[in-house]
Amino acid sequence: DAGVIQSPRHEVTEMGQEVTLRCKPISGHNSLFWYRQTMMRGLELLIYFNNNVPIDDSGMPEDRFSAKMPNASFSTLKIQPSEPRDSAVYFCASSLAGVDEKLFFGSGTQLSVL
Amino acid sequence: GESVGLHLPTLSVQEGDNSIINCAYSNSASDYFIWYKQESGKGPQFIIDIRSNMDKRQGQRVTVLLNKTVKHLSLQIAATQPGDSAVYFCAELFSGGYNKLIFGAGTRLAVHP
Repeated sequence: DAGVIQSPRHEVTEMGQEVTLRCKPISGHNSLFWYRQTMMRGLELLIYFNNNVPIDDSGMPEDRFSAKMPNASFSTLKIQPSEPRDSAVYFCASSLAGVDEKLFFGSGTQLSVL
Repeated sequence: GESVGLHLPTLSVQEGDNSIINCAYSNSASDYFIWYKQESGKGPQFIIDIRSNMDKRQGQRVTVLLNKTVKHLSLQIAATQPGDSAVYFCAELFSGGYNKLIFGAGTRLAVHP
């Protein structure tokens, strides 16, 4: 299995631009998570899907952030408009079923907003 | 730019020694705990987990100890190797509304030859 696949690996954009991060979970996993990692705040859960349905989006910082999971093999995290304070590493993770199963993380997307 | 961020505690050990990484968790009702390892430029990688009905669980070269009385978790790595150098995170399953996995700040393990 290829594991959780994220793209792009690095993204550099200018303030105000739209950014779309992509994730392909491990085949057969029913739960998908988006995390953000910064030096200031560590690893924070942004949103969690179960069977393609958003279960907990309380970590999404504000309306500029949105996430979708149109099918079991693909999810996107969109930031529009992006701001410099959004600069971070964004991780996608998947698990077999829910938060009380081990999470498998992708390699992350390093986002820099100038 | 970003202001000064978290300063990760660092544990420095000699190759071949045993390492003990400690973690205090916040919620006495948490019933599932996990240790993750994160190498530079990579995502966190699962190491070992433990549920609250256990005090100890062993894996290959790793042991997790859980002390619910003082809300303390530790990861022991036997015969530490250079490849063990990474940041180690503990995480607790926090039950408040929706169940949520909350990660600690992390500890950097530096293994010296």
